[in-house]
Amino acid sequence: GAVVSQHPSRVICKSGTSVKIECRSLDFQATTMFWYRQFPKQSLMLMATSNEGSKATYEQGVEKDKFLINHASLTLSTLTVTSAHPEDSSFYICSADSGQGYNEQFFGPGTRLTVL
Amino acid sequence: QKEVEQDPGPLSVPEGAIVSLNCTYSNSAFQYFMWYRQYSRKGPELLMYTYSSGNKEDGRFTAQVDKSSKYISLFIRDSQPSDSATYLCAMTSGTGNQFYFGTGTSLTVIP
Repeated sequence: GAVVSQHPSRVICKSGTSVKIECRSLDFQATTMFWYRQFPKQSLMLMATSNEGSKATYEQGVEKDKFLINHASLTLSTLTVTSAHPEDSSFYICSADSGQGYNEQFFGPGTRLTVL
Repeated sequence: QKEVEQDPGPLSVPEGAIVSLNCTYSNSAFQYFMWYRQYSRKGPELLMYTYSSGNKEDGRFTAQVDKSSKYISLFIRDSQPSDSATYLCAMTSGTGNQFYFGTGTSLTVIP
């Protein structure tokens, strides 16, 4: 099956720093990638939809200047949390659209961000 | 009203029990219905997907969709301790690609 990787799997940073998370589709090309945030014992909340070569579409309430998304190629999307604060601590998960059937999404393993 | 409602549990059952997990939804445009399993601190993995109404079986797992009632179910037969995880339902209209997720049900299967 299709594999999506994320790097890093875990990151701890100081308040005010920026953190970049990479999402890669390893064995398929993904025109569209999605970024989700998941708080403990809560569901996945879609943050933004990222299309290769164009600007990301952000969900209501998500600050696009704080969560910078770049989808530079068909296999790589990055999420940069700028000037991170403790309330940004969360589990960030990306998914990649296979473009097959109902546009099945394949999920990465997630990145746990802790901001001190 | 949320697009998708799912009882968060937690649900605890003995090994070998039949588990029933459910979600309700409000958007009649949803056509594709998925069940994901998520282990702690891992990304979700797709268990099953169903198009429109009906049943689908895969080993010990059976997914049911009743579009008239806007209700979907996942049944796990002969549950195993390795089934202990959070189960998320998700659905999409198939256009625009956005998936709508339930909150997830935490399941523990006790040996």
